[in-house]
Amino acid sequence: NAGVTQTPKFRILKIGQSMTLQCTQDMNHNYMYWYRQDPGMGLKLIYYSVGAGITDKGEVPNGYNVSRSTTEDFPLRLELAAPSQTSVYFCASSYLDRYNSPLHFGNGTRLTVT
Amino acid sequence: RKEVEQDPGPFNVPEGATVAFNCTYSNSASQSFFWYRQDCRKEPKLLMSVYSSGNEDGRFTAQLNRASQYISLLIRDSKLSDSATYLCVVPRFGNEKLTFGTGTRLTIIP
Repeated sequence: NAGVTQTPKFRILKIGQSMTLQCTQDMNHNYMYWYRQDPGMGLKLIYYSVGAGITDKGEVPNGYNVSRSTTEDFPLRLELAAPSQTSVYFCASSYLDRYNSPLHFGNGTRLTVT
Repeated sequence: RKEVEQDPGPFNVPEGATVAFNCTYSNSASQSFFWYRQDCRKEPKLLMSVYSSGNEDGRFTAQLNRASQYISLLIRDSKLSDSATYLCVVPRFGNEKLTFGTGTRLTIIP
């Protein structure tokens, strides 16, 4: 049981490049999330999904896109990388149950845009 | 008022001491609350869930005060390994959007 798996662990992008951060979970969770965490700051929600085919914006969605074609996968796409997107990105998943829904996080992707 | 607010600290506490910090929330309809710990450069991990008045797990106790809209985390007999950032999470409208506090940084001093 791998939990939530993110790839890559590290990446350096040049301004204007694009990339996809991969996230997959094997716990059959309906809810999945993408957060970013800037140095010394809290987690900010980028996008979330309540199930396959359904996505919605979080606090800071600009510059990102997501898709949820399957329950397991929730990739995050950066189309035109900017220095402001330098951050650590965490993918997470949780059960549907609202009263017992802790988040399970992946190990994170450290992205630097130069 | 922010949805979730935490004292950022840092709290520097000698080993063996008891430390407590609070998390205030603005949405009075929130039903469940979570404390996570995050080690430096690592992902957050669930520490404790709070559904009613509180919860206790070994040296850790979480208490909920609905009237004043805050939850607290108490750590007794603190260990060096307790050094971390503690994040408060307050679900809203089920589990669609989870708001994280900025975290409270705790350092246990030998």
